[in-house]
Amino acid sequence: AQTVTQSQPEMSVQEAETVTLSCTYDTSESDYYLFWYKQPPSRQMILVIRQEAYKQQNATENRFSVNFQKAAKSFSLKISDSQLGDAAMYFCAYRSAGGGADGLTFGKGTHLIIQP
Amino acid sequence: NAGVTQTPKFQVLKTGQSMTLQCAQDMNHEYMSWYRQDPGMGLRLIHYSVGAGITDQGEVPNGYNVSRSTTEDFPLRLLSAAPSQTSVYFCASRPLAGPHEQYFGPGTRLTVT
Repeated sequence: AQTVTQSQPEMSVQEAETVTLSCTYDTSESDYYLFWYKQPPSRQMILVIRQEAYKQQNATENRFSVNFQKAAKSFSLKISDSQLGDAAMYFCAYRSAGGGADGLTFGKGTHLIIQP
Repeated sequence: NAGVTQTPKFQVLKTGQSMTLQCAQDMNHEYMSWYRQDPGMGLRLIHYSVGAGITDQGEVPNGYNVSRSTTEDFPLRLLSAAPSQTSVYFCASRPLAGPHEQYFGPGTRLTVT
């Protein structure tokens, strides 16, 4: 079974600064998808960014980018120019690419605090 | 286009009571699933379905039943609620294949006393 580990229960960053959230995963598969989800206090789960394992290029969405290291099984999220609205729980998630029936395996989350 | 809807948003049950959490999606997604979120545990998969008439167990299925009679609806049933089922429940849907994101409902906070 796959596992996802987020080693930082909580992170704090000054507004406008850059912060990196860590995620590692364990799998024997070669084809899979990785996701970062944001959960604000409203508890709605919002997709931040996704990465397909067969793509070597790191995904980028505006101020959000990932550092995907397939050999090291690492998938960190970098948030540039942090804003107050970025304060939330962030979850790293894994899904197998085979068959389509697999659900997401989530890490335990990182609570991101933005200091004004 | 409402996306994924869940009812109710909040519910309090007594131990032993039964109830059904409703979930519906209007995106014609084949795949639907239920997760529970507990403090410090992230989200864990309860049951999932790859289409009408097909369901299967996830990581934590005990105490829950599901059915999928239509593409749109995927209710989660608690037959005899226990305090260990106190949690936030999320329904999600996505197209069956490809790197598509899961679209999540707003969640149901369930308390079993």
